[in-house]
Amino acid sequence: QSVLTQPPSVSGAPGQRVDISCTGTSSNIGSRYDVNWYQQLPGTSPRLLMFADTLRPSGVPDRFSGSKSGTSASLAISGLQAEDEAHYYCQSFDRILGGSVFGGGTKLTVL
Amino acid sequence: QLQLQESGPGLVKPSETLTLTCTVLGGSVASTTYSWDWIRQSPGKGLEWLGTIYYSGTTLYSPSLKNRLSISVDASNNQLSLKLISVTDADTGVYYCGRVTSARSLDVWGIGTTVTVSP
Repeated sequence: QSVLTQPPSVSGAPGQRVDISCTGTSSNIGSRYDVNWYQQLPGTSPRLLMFADTLRPSGVPDRFSGSKSGTSASLAISGLQAEDEAHYYCQSFDRILGGSVFGGGTKLTVL
Repeated sequence: QLQLQESGPGLVKPSETLTLTCTVLGGSVASTTYSWDWIRQSPGKGLEWLGTIYYSGTTLYSPSLKNRLSISVDASNNQLSLKLISVTDADTGVYYCGRVTSARSLDVWGIGTTVTVSP
């Protein structure tokens, strides 16, 4: 059972938009700790996709955007492409556990 | 460009101690700007944070592993290491080291090293 809750799977057709939610509690996202997102393609290491809630590292397309409100965060992917098919993980810090916490991951399928 | 390279025994017997090394290439493990994490991924599962080591040497450990885990830095060899005692099959997985920014995001990941706990 992950501290941050994500839907196990989402799907969308090429060109469409999907949103992946990440729900936490008052001890992590709700305490205004940064939310970060990672993309993991099959057989590869995770890659940083979004940091500090809404910021994209260099090289990440602007089709990816992040948001946060209250105890939840969300990753939006617009203009879906086949290469976006991957697992996506959110991450934050939890002040009660005293360390980083991850969501369980969401598998994105591009139809 | 910074690269991280994990290495380890591959196979460990139950109840033994697992020791992994992460070599930092193209940068310094002693940087005051970053900290370092160990993350693992059990087969077919998600990511699990194991622990963090800061420049000061301060460490944070996952509560579920705190009694078995230690993380350290060897600045002379530009490496960080993980030591996990009394392993069980639940410790099987891919272990990653990562560089951690001030936003607590891991902006550089190693390729990972696979650990199997089996008699």
